[in-house]
Amino acid sequence: NAGVTQTPKFQVLKTGQSMTLQCAQDMNHEYMSWYRQDPGMGLRLIHYSVGAGITDQGEVPNGYNVSRSTTEDFPLRLLSAAPSQTSVYFCASSYGPGLADNEQFFGPGTRLTVL
Amino acid sequence: AQRVTQPEKLLSVFKGAPVELKCNYSYSGSPELFWYVQYSRQRLQLLLRHISRESIKGFTADLNKGETSFHLKKPFAQEEDSAMYYCALSLSGNTGKLIFGQGTTLQVKP
Repeated sequence: NAGVTQTPKFQVLKTGQSMTLQCAQDMNHEYMSWYRQDPGMGLRLIHYSVGAGITDQGEVPNGYNVSRSTTEDFPLRLLSAAPSQTSVYFCASSYGPGLADNEQFFGPGTRLTVL
Repeated sequence: AQRVTQPEKLLSVFKGAPVELKCNYSYSGSPELFWYVQYSRQRLQLLLRHISRESIKGFTADLNKGETSFHLKKPFAQEEDSAMYYCALSLSGNTGKLIFGQGTTLQVKP
């Protein structure tokens, strides 16, 4: 059971380049989320999904796209990278409805630098 | 608007001293609150949640709805407690969304 996996671990982009951050989970979780972590700002929700085919925006969605074609995968796309998107990105998943089941499990993170 | 505030960026204590990491929230609904911890070079992981009223690694946290607080406490800090701590709010209806505070770095000195 690998839990939540993210690739790549590190990435350097030039302004204007595009890329996809990959996230996968093997726990059959319905809910998946993307956060960015910036110093002094904690973790901020970018996009989330409550199941395959269903996504919605979080606090800071601009500049990012997501899709959820399978339960397991939830990729995050940067269409035209900007220096303001330099951050550490975390993917998380949780079971779904139910008070006892909403612990979020986090991936190891992707450190992205945009030059 | 929903908000979680952790007023201290850094809390530095000596080993054996009591620790209190502050967390205040703003939410009109029924809150579910959590503390997550990130040790050096490790993933963010759940430390405890208010609904279970448990003590994990000697830490406890009580939800005070009157003061809208969920402070994390430990009577005697250990060096291995040094980490980044995040308070988080889950909105009612369990949408899978968490609102995080800014985080507090706990540094326990020998």
